[in-house]
Amino acid sequence: AQSVTQLGSHVSVSEGALVLLRCNYSSSVPPYLFWYVQYPNQGLQLLLKYTSAATLVKGINGFEAEFKKSETSFHLTKPSAHMSDAAEYFCAVTESTGANSKLTFGKGITLSVRP
Amino acid sequence: DTGVSQDPRHKITKRGQNVTFRCDPISEHNRLYWYRQTLGQGPEFLTYFQNEAQLEKSRLLSDRFSAERPKGSFSTLEIQRTEQGDSAMYLCASSSTGDYGYTFGSGTRLTVV
Repeated sequence: AQSVTQLGSHVSVSEGALVLLRCNYSSSVPPYLFWYVQYPNQGLQLLLKYTSAATLVKGINGFEAEFKKSETSFHLTKPSAHMSDAAEYFCAVTESTGANSKLTFGKGITLSVRP
Repeated sequence: DTGVSQDPRHKITKRGQNVTFRCDPISEHNRLYWYRQTLGQGPEFLTYFQNEAQLEKSRLLSDRFSAERPKGSFSTLEIQRTEQGDSAMYLCASSSTGDYGYTFGSGTRLTVV
């Protein structure tokens, strides 16, 4: 079984400040991990993914995440927030040995960016 | 590549009515997934197709729900005798075998009144 915990439902930062969105996972087998972004009334867009290559993963829009097995974490960061980053962010996990790549999502974190 | 298309974008229906949603995946993708997302929650897996075969169904998918993918192309999700608890965003996604991190459509928002 696998699960994702995203601590806190809402994060607010000032424009230009560091963005840090936390994700911890639980998986009985080596995981693959993902971050998705969702804008209001839209589907999910893949930001980045970890599939057992480099542990520091760079994604779109300046986001990156680091896989830390010892901490079972996959936190999402961006050095400088932009107003357009305001959205909901979901962390997801799948089993690397799974046949169907079914994703299990966390509850999501709403990011607000203050001018 | 026009992405994953879902139709309709919004659907309002009366309780007890049947509804059907359509998903057109990216043409070269052989895998197709349906997820349901309720307010304030992450998407929850409903079912998965590889080509035309439905390989897994979540227990969330009650007997009132049925999904098909004839000829391994588009897919439909039907809900019979809708209930207010069915109100949610229904998301479709597609991928190719071995490709992790699939492409989502914009979703169909269902409101049951």
